[in-house]
Amino acid sequence: GQNIDQPTEMTATEGAIVQINCTYQTSGFNGLFWYQQHAGEAPTFLSYNVLDGLEEKGRFSSFLSRSKGYSYLLLKELQMKDSASYLCAVIRGSTLGRLYFGRGTQLTVWP
Amino acid sequence: NAGVMQNPRHLVRRRGQEARLRCSPMKGHSHVYWYRQLPEEGLKFMVYLQKENIIDESGMPKERFSAEFPKEGPSILRIQQVVRGDSAAYFCASSPPTAPGGYEQYFGPGTRLTVT
Repeated sequence: GQNIDQPTEMTATEGAIVQINCTYQTSGFNGLFWYQQHAGEAPTFLSYNVLDGLEEKGRFSSFLSRSKGYSYLLLKELQMKDSASYLCAVIRGSTLGRLYFGRGTQLTVWP
Repeated sequence: NAGVMQNPRHLVRRRGQEARLRCSPMKGHSHVYWYRQLPEEGLKFMVYLQKENIIDESGMPKERFSAEFPKEGPSILRIQQVVRGDSAAYFCASSPPTAPGGYEQYFGPGTRLTVT
């Protein structure tokens, strides 16, 4: 099976920077996704990494190291509305269509 | 362009009844995926469908669960003889024909099933 680990909870204050880590063990790795999910709502796409390195998109950046089976999501200039669950998911080349999700990291942003 | 629609948003069933969950993909999308999210668990893949075709149902329990995506109309996830363990949030996602393989999945708001 796939092993995808991320911290259960994190807290931070408004205006700060937070890094949410995700480690994975999977065969046939073909990319890693980050989704944001507010309580009771649909997961929304944040980023997709398939090559090593950092992808920046506004206040959010995502990093991938394939050799280490490691990714992180970096959120800058935190806002209260960033309080949500952040889901790490991988896709395998042999089972296209299927995303394998971690349990999600619940981020709480305090004023 | 409306997003992925799911209905009902909340569904309560007694043990032994049937549950039917509907998913209307985004306009122009021909691939549909169903996931289940149990309390305190991550999203778990259940089934991947194209119009009139099941591509991968390896994540779906062998008994009581079935899914379809007909030529016309929404995709349906059907759970027969529900049990308490079926209580969960069921999410549907869709992707366009230009992005097969699930690299661009847009999720619906989910159906929260409660079995009493």
